[in-house]
Order: sequence, then C-alpha cells, then structure tokens
Amino acid sequence: DAGITQSPRHKVTETGTPVTLRCHQTENHRYMYWYRQDPGHGLRLIHYSYGVKDTDKGEVSDGYSVSRSKTEDFLLTLESATSSQTSVYFCAIVGQQNTEAFFGQGTRLTVV
Amino acid sequence: KNQVEQSPQSLIILEGKNCTLQCNYTVSPFSNLRWYKQDTGRGPVSLTIMTFSENTKSNGRYTATLDADTKQSSLHITASQLSDSASYICVVSGQGNTPLVFGKGTRLSVIA
Repeated sequence: DAGITQSPRHKVTETGTPVTLRCHQTENHRYMYWYRQDPGHGLRLIHYSYGVKDTDKGEVSDGYSVSRSKTEDFLLTLESATSSQTSVYFCAIVGQQNTEAFFGQGTRLTVV
Repeated sequence: KNQVEQSPQSLIILEGKNCTLQCNYTVSPFSNLRWYKQDTGRGPVSLTIMTFSENTKSNGRYTATLDADTKQSSLHITASQLSDSASYICVVSGQGNTPLVFGKGTRLSVIA
C-alpha cells in the first residue's frame, strides 16, 4: 500500500471552531489533493498542490485554506467550521509522471 | 470546462452476470484515464490506468477500454461477485499541473 495517512480519521466539532486535517505521505510525490465526498456529488476538489508552497483552488474551495510547507504534509484548514462542511474528506497523492494516484482512508468530519 | 460524465448512475445485477460501465470526458489535453473502485466508507482503490496510446487494459475480471478519439471509456466486469458491489469512479488527468477530474461514479449492487 502507498504511504499516505490522514489524521484524524473522525472528528466532531462545533460550528465556528477552526479545524485542521492532515495528510501525510512517505512517497515523495509531487502532487497532493484534498477532496470532499457527499452523497449525490461524488468526489469534489477543494484544493491541490503541485509542490512545496505551490497550491491552487479547486471547485469547492470557499471556506477552506491549505498549506504545504514540506513535501510530505498537506494541511487542510477550516477557519470557522459550518454545518455545510460536514463531509468525508479524502487526500490523494500523485507522482511526478502523473500516473498512479493513491488515496487516504478518509476523514469523517461532523460539524454540529 | 473539463468534465467527466459516467453512466449509469446506479446499476443492480445478479451475481455471475456481466456488466459495462461508461465514462465520457472532455478533458483536454489528455494524459491518462483511471478507473477506481470505492467500497463504502473507504478510499478509492485503483483498478486500471490507461494512457493515450492504450485502448484496452485488464485487471482480473475487470477490463477497461479507451477510445481517445471519441473521448469515451468503458469498464467491463465479467462474472460479477457480491464483493464487486461498490462505486466505480472514472478519473481523467490532463497534462501539466492540471488537477484530476472525477466523475460522480456508478453505484453497482450485485445481488444473489
């Protein structure tokens, strides 16, 4: 299995609190992605990174920020969580040659 | 706009039967196309990946085809098993730093 881990795996938080999800990889892959998955929508891109300190927005980036200060870690932050951000969040990594993509096991976030 | 459309949205088949899932895309310039299987509550797992020059690739009972001219792909599952029940997601990658584009998936249910 590819070396990609997400933490935490489950989290319940209150509306208005900040939340940070972590994606950690040991593959030294260049590209990292954050997605959310909701019923009826499939996987939707939040933000992605194509290198250290190089990030860009996806289709559902409002309310989210990211940081990538080193190759192995890609952090997703909800500055002030809302109930609409209740979802399952997946991280993915892709190698330099843009071939295989590996996914983490997901983080189930509930905002109450 | 880069898009990936999958059909059908859901499918129910009897154990032992074959089925074919469809994927149409508009991503350009094209790099590769991947099929993933996602079990409920888990991250997607790769089944096949095809580049522009490949038009068929098999992985056990799974066979993917690609027609880069018409921008269509299919995933054929032979002799279905109960464990094939999952969502099947088509993912297309463009060239350069463009992010992966996901279809919404086909939900397959195999019943006894």
